[in-house]
Amino acid sequence: QVQLQESGPGLVKPSETLSLTCTVSGGSISSYYWTWIRQSPGKGLEWIGYISHSGSTKYNPSLKSRVTISLDTSKHQFSLKLTSVTAADTAVYYCVRESYASGFDFWGRGSLVTVSS
Amino acid sequence: DIQMTQSPSSLSASVGDRVTITCRASQGIGNYLAWFQQKPGKAPKSLIYAASNLQTGVPSKFSGSGSGTDFTLTISSLQPEDFATYYCQQHSSYPYTFGQGTKLEIQ
Repeated sequence: QVQLQESGPGLVKPSETLSLTCTVSGGSISSYYWTWIRQSPGKGLEWIGYISHSGSTKYNPSLKSRVTISLDTSKHQFSLKLTSVTAADTAVYYCVRESYASGFDFWGRGSLVTVSS
Repeated sequence: DIQMTQSPSSLSASVGDRVTITCRASQGIGNYLAWFQQKPGKAPKSLIYAASNLQTGVPSKFSGSGSGTDFTLTISSLQPEDFATYYCQQHSSYPYTFGQGTKLEIQ
């Protein structure tokens, strides 16, 4: 069974960089889109972007200037960096596998990141 | 961005009932529509993709239909474990977007 697990700091200071890593186990990295989605009370579920197994990326234009998603196939991990964070970036961040055939089929448990000084 | 609007925002029902949730897209999305169930403190769980296809392991009490701009999720014979929040999501064009959610509560 495919499992995804987020890891990273739960507290980030305003103007700093939020960094999260997702470790994938129980399945291949190939042929999927590895995605970050966040959920906050104010904005609901928000798609942040993805990286494909080949390394191509696509980001939400609302965050594009601040987001980088990277992939380390040897470690079965992909990562999210979000720069210049504000309180509005406080959310639960999910890493998600997107299958071309069946959409967002596997989700991590989520990682709460709070932006506060 | 494509806006996804769900109705109702909340819904009260009883065990054994059949309920329908509606999702409307601000422009045509073909059948590129997914449904998710989320319980408090948990990640969303995929129920349906491509408007009407059940994810592996999802019981057939869940069904989806629609195309273009109007979609429905129907849940038959409600059980206590079905009371949760349900979201639709379009995967027709980027950025992918979600509905605001429908909270299904026990009456």
